Amino acid sequence: DGGITQSPKYLFRKEGQNVTLSCEQNLNHDAMYWYRQDPGQGLRLIYYSQIVNDFQKGDIAEGYSVSREKKESFPLTVTSAQKNPTAFYLCASSIRGARETQYFGPGTRLLVL
Amino acid sequence: EDQVTQSPEALRLQEGESSSLNCSYTVSGLRGLFWYRQDPGKGPEFLFTLYSAGEEKEKERLKATLTKKESFLHITAPKPEDSATYLCAVQARSGGYQKVTFGTGTKLQVIP
Repeated sequence: DGGITQSPKYLFRKEGQNVTLSCEQNLNHDAMYWYRQDPGQGLRLIYYSQIVNDFQKGDIAEGYSVSREKKESFPLTVTSAQKNPTAFYLCASSIRGARETQYFGPGTRLLVL
Repeated sequence: EDQVTQSPEALRLQEGESSSLNCSYTVSGLRGLFWYRQDPGKGPEFLFTLYSAGEEKEKERLKATLTKKESFLHITAPKPEDSATYLCAVQARSGGYQKVTFGTGTKLQVIP
């Protein structure tokens, strides 16, 4: 089955700790995205990557970092610089082109201890 | 700045009571408008993409329509399993990137 997987489903972060969220896709999509979802707000873009070894900051990149070493994988690291990391994190992917429908993974909920 | 406004924020329907959800948008250079369904604690599930005014798409009890300023998601004879949050998003060109802006969603509850 083709799709997007995210792990873990729940993640707990201690003060001052960096944590990494995994996102893998087997849809052969070129572009991948990370969004943050908070109650009462629309999805906000953290980072996106349109091709391997290249990525760009989104609207709320501060306190986050990413890498794109493989087409299938786009991990997100939430660093200790992110002071309010509690949220639902969503990874998406799309075919790169003029009209791109984004498909989403199941999400990771990050909680702070 | 691109904007997407969804209304109402929440909607409660009796089973079989048809209604519509609204998505108003302000964007320069619309490339596409998307509807997603999101269940609690899960990722958004893709429903429809609309590209130009006048376009309509249907799937089971759902029908999406698009004008130059808004989109409607019509729900005909809804069932309790249609209960979810419905998200609207618009895609516009922003430099070399097809930026997608999401609305805050309409939470639909269908009561048996």
